[in-house]
Amino acid sequence: KQEVTQIPAALSVPEGENLVLNCSFTDSAIYNLQWFRQDPGKGLTSLLLIQSSQREQTSGRLNASLDKSSGRSTLYIAASQPGDSATYLCAVPNYGQNFVFGPGTRLSVLP
Amino acid sequence: ETGVTQTPRHLVMGMTNKKSLKCEQHLGHNAMYWYKQSAKKPLELMFVYSLEERVENNSVPSRFSPECPNSSHLFLHLHTLQPEDSALYLCASSQGTTNTGELFFGEGSRLTVL
Repeated sequence: KQEVTQIPAALSVPEGENLVLNCSFTDSAIYNLQWFRQDPGKGLTSLLLIQSSQREQTSGRLNASLDKSSGRSTLYIAASQPGDSATYLCAVPNYGQNFVFGPGTRLSVLP
Repeated sequence: ETGVTQTPRHLVMGMTNKKSLKCEQHLGHNAMYWYKQSAKKPLELMFVYSLEERVENNSVPSRFSPECPNSSHLFLHLHTLQPEDSALYLCASSQGTTNTGELFFGEGSRLTVL
């Protein structure tokens, strides 16, 4: 059974810092990994999708890497801004047509 | 409209009421999902429809009844709910008949059961 964990559970940083969020999964036989952002009380916004054949994916200040063999992905946020404050979740496909989500990292970027 | 739209955004109901949540996707996807998000718990898959057929039913109580009349619309019919069913219900869609496509979510329906 696929299990996904995320470290840290919460993170508070001053504006401008570069930061790394971590996602680990137990079954490395995945097609892809997806990172999402969730603002309080809102739905999930897709940030990046990394296919299993890729090692990393970039979008603006965000860079996500994937190491299938070690069961890890990292989301790097450069030059953080207060608007980046949200919960960040990773998800991987599971058996059938299911996706398994991590518990999320709650990020606060202080002005 | 674009993306995935959910209505209503907020719903308060009594334990004896019957209500429905609606989801519509404008992305041309062929798979749609209902997820439940409770406080301090990871997202839980409830149902998956692929090509309008239910392919996943994740041990959900029968008081939740999904309906997918076509590939663009998904409903979740609610009846005789319990207070512990209060949560954010999220609809999502993806393209493909396997879980290889990118997931897109709606804004969610916040349900409160009194």
